Formats: sequence, structure tokens, C-alpha cells
Amino acid sequence: QKEVEQNSGPLSVPEGAIASLNCTYSDRGSQSFFWYRQYSGKSPELIMFIYSNGDKEDGRFTAQLNKASQYVSLLIRDSQPSDSATYLCAVNMHPGNTPLVFGKGTRLSVIA
Amino acid sequence: DTAVSQTPKYLVTQMGNDKSIKCEQNLGHDTMYWYKQDSKKFLKIMFSYNNKELIINETVPNRFSPKSPDKAHLNLHINSLELGDSAVYFCASSHSRTVNTGELFFGEGSRLTVL
Repeated sequence: QKEVEQNSGPLSVPEGAIASLNCTYSDRGSQSFFWYRQYSGKSPELIMFIYSNGDKEDGRFTAQLNKASQYVSLLIRDSQPSDSATYLCAVNMHPGNTPLVFGKGTRLSVIA
Repeated sequence: DTAVSQTPKYLVTQMGNDKSIKCEQNLGHDTMYWYKQDSKKFLKIMFSYNNKELIINETVPNRFSPKSPDKAHLNLHINSLELGDSAVYFCASSHSRTVNTGELFFGEGSRLTVL
């Protein structure tokens, strides 16, 4: 069974610190990788995607991908209380018209 | 204007009843999905439709019947509701040419509570 694993947390970090969120996936042929943020009672929203090994930066967010280790992470620099949410890792396990497979999410709490 | 809209947002009903959730998107996307999110926040694909045709049915009981009258609409009908059906149901859409970017656009969710 194709799976995406995340530590459910909660992960608590002080304001201004770096939050590190991790995800592993089972299908070695997976093509593309995504991080969604979901506030309580709201719908998921895409914040980052990455296809190639290495780092991809967008503002305070950095996604890191290591296909050999089947590992993807999200770093949030200068964490703010408004970053407190559940972060969902999602994987597109086949090219083409297939839905994303989501992990169970990591709850992040940024403490002021 | 809301890009992906679902109705109703909240649904409380008794076991054994039949209910429907409607979804519409005005983004011009050709692929629509139903995801179920349980109390532990696990978001699991149920169905995927491309241009009104079913392409994914992820081992969902046949009490759940999706219907797509056109590519802008994907409705979900549930027969004989059970306690375990209580969850938040999210409709989402994407364009097949951009599906690899993971740009799923989600509706606001429909919270179903079965008593």
C-alpha cells in the first residue's frame, strides 16, 4: 500500500525559531511532492511544491527533497504564531491524472 | 466569487438516512475529487472524475455514489448513513495538465455528523 508518513505532533516551537516538518513516502517512483497548510476548521491550501532533489525556497519556507532516502521536509524560518496550523505532506505517486496521497499531517504550534 | 463551493457546510442526520453534498467549481478545471477527512485529520481520496468520467474509486462502499453532470459539478450521494461516515468531506478540483503541480483547489468542506 502506498503511504505517506508524518509525525502527528504537536510540534511546538517558540516565535522566531525554525520549525522543521518531516515526511517519508513509500513509493520510490513518486514524482512530485507538496506541502499544504490547514488551519483549524478550514480547507487545505498549497504552500510549496518540489520535484527535484535539493532545496527550494519561497520566502520563509524551504522545501527539501531527497528521493534516494524517500524523504521530504519543510522548514519554516522565523516562525510566527500565524504559522500555527496542521501541515499536510502530499505525494503524486504516478505521473498523469492521479490524485495526491496525503500524510496524516503534523500539527505545529508557534508559541509567542 | 468562490472558486470551489460545496453545499451544505454542515449536515446532521440520523443513521440510516440518505443525504447528498453538492460541489461546483468555476475555475474551468476538468478534474474533480472527493476527499474524506476523519477526526484525526487524515485526508483520504474517495473519487476522482475527469471530464465527467470516473477515473478513481478508492475502495469506497457502494453506499457512496458520486455523480458528475458536467465537468464543473461533482455531487456525492450517501445512502444508509452509518456512524463511521461522520467526517468532513472536501471537494477539490485541478486541471489535468497541471495535476502534477499538486494545485488542488479545495472547497470549504462539508461536515457530516451521523447520530
